[in-house]
Amino acid sequence: AQSVAQPEDQVNVAEGNPLTVKCTYSVSGNPYLFWYVQYPNRGLQFLLKYITGDNLVKGSYGFEAEFNKSQTSFHLKKPSALVSDSALYFCAVHRDSGNTPLVFGKGTRLSVIA
Amino acid sequence: DAGITQSPRYKITETGRQVTLMCHQTWSHSYMFWYRQDLGHGLRLIYYSAAADITDKGEVPDGYVVSRSKTENFPLTLESATRSQTSVYFCASRRQGSPTNEQFFGPGTRLTVL
Repeated sequence: AQSVAQPEDQVNVAEGNPLTVKCTYSVSGNPYLFWYVQYPNRGLQFLLKYITGDNLVKGSYGFEAEFNKSQTSFHLKKPSALVSDSALYFCAVHRDSGNTPLVFGKGTRLSVIA
Repeated sequence: DAGITQSPRYKITETGRQVTLMCHQTWSHSYMFWYRQDLGHGLRLIYYSAAADITDKGEVPDGYVVSRSKTENFPLTLESATRSQTSVYFCASRRQGSPTNEQFFGPGTRLTVL
């Protein structure tokens, strides 16, 4: 069965500094990997996904994520954090075969401090 | 373009009562999902549906019932609400076809069971 781990419940970063939100996964077969963001009192919004190809994926709001097959990781990154990036971030994984639902990690709360 | 909507947005009920949460999407997406979000657990899948009249259990289905008589609607019913079902409930949908398609989420329903 597929699973996702987000090892940090909370990440704090100063505005303007680079940020990383970590995600590791476990699947049998090739993974399809997603990042979602949740702002207060809102539903989840899609940020980016890795399906195949280039290991560095670019998404919305200046975010990017790096797929590392050997480390089974898909860390979310941004070169310069904004206060408005403060939110709850979820990593999710799909197995490559079958139309099964996404499996989500427990989420990481990002706080960007001015 | 309304997208995916949920109603009610907030609900307070009492233990033992039946409650139905509504989900409606305007995209004619084949797949629809119900998740609950709880602190420390992230998002957990309750039920999902691949098409009208096809539903499947997710990770935490006990105490919930779903139906899908029309493609655009996917109501979730708590037959006899318990305090442990106090949570935020999210509905999501996804286009038919490849699992690489992202899921789109509704704004959520905050349910409190007293």
